[in-house]
Amino acid sequence: GDSVTQMEGPVTLSEEAFLTINCTYTATGYPSLFWYVQYPGEGLQLLLKATKADDKGSNKGFEATYRKETTSFHLEKGSVQVSDSAVYFCALIRYGGATNKLIFGTGTLLAVQP
Amino acid sequence: DGGITQSPKYLFRKEGQNVTLSCEQNLNHDAMYWYRQDPGQGLRLIYYSQIVNDFQKGDIAEGYSVSREKKESFPLTVTSAQKNPTAFYLCASSIDTGRNEQFFGPGTRLTVL
Repeated sequence: GDSVTQMEGPVTLSEEAFLTINCTYTATGYPSLFWYVQYPGEGLQLLLKATKADDKGSNKGFEATYRKETTSFHLEKGSVQVSDSAVYFCALIRYGGATNKLIFGTGTLLAVQP
Repeated sequence: DGGITQSPKYLFRKEGQNVTLSCEQNLNHDAMYWYRQDPGQGLRLIYYSQIVNDFQKGDIAEGYSVSREKKESFPLTVTSAQKNPTAFYLCASSIDTGRNEQFFGPGTRLTVL
């Protein structure tokens, strides 16, 4: 079945460091891909999305490119801030069929130190 | 402002009691969802509804029940049959059940004592 695999955390970085969180997926067809962020004690917020191959989603300095050849959607940010500390979830929705469910990875905890 | 509200934020219940979690949205979305989140794990789908008066089981529906009598509301009941109900519960909605993103509420943390 469809699945999403994320790098295990926690990822600990110093402020202004470069961030990469790896995400790969397995899906039939052509899924839409998402990154969600969850701050402590809160619900999930959509960070960015991409709906077809080679699309780049971007928001708040974060970017991710839909790579069909490597089935990946890695999240990157050039310079992280303490306020970016959160759990990041990669997810997909597979197009087609009666149940277009959102399938999540297990999440990656990012801790940014001043 | 449009959004999804869940109440209460924290809920405590004794073992063996049923409890209902509220979810309301004013986004005019057709589809609504309930997820369960356990520490260190991703989200797992409990139930979803594509339209009023219709709902489908997700991956972990056992011990839960839902209703969808109004477009805006999708309450979740955690029954005494749910063996391990302590978790963080998240409600979400989307325009439809296609490829569109889902928007999440702030969550309810349920603790069964």
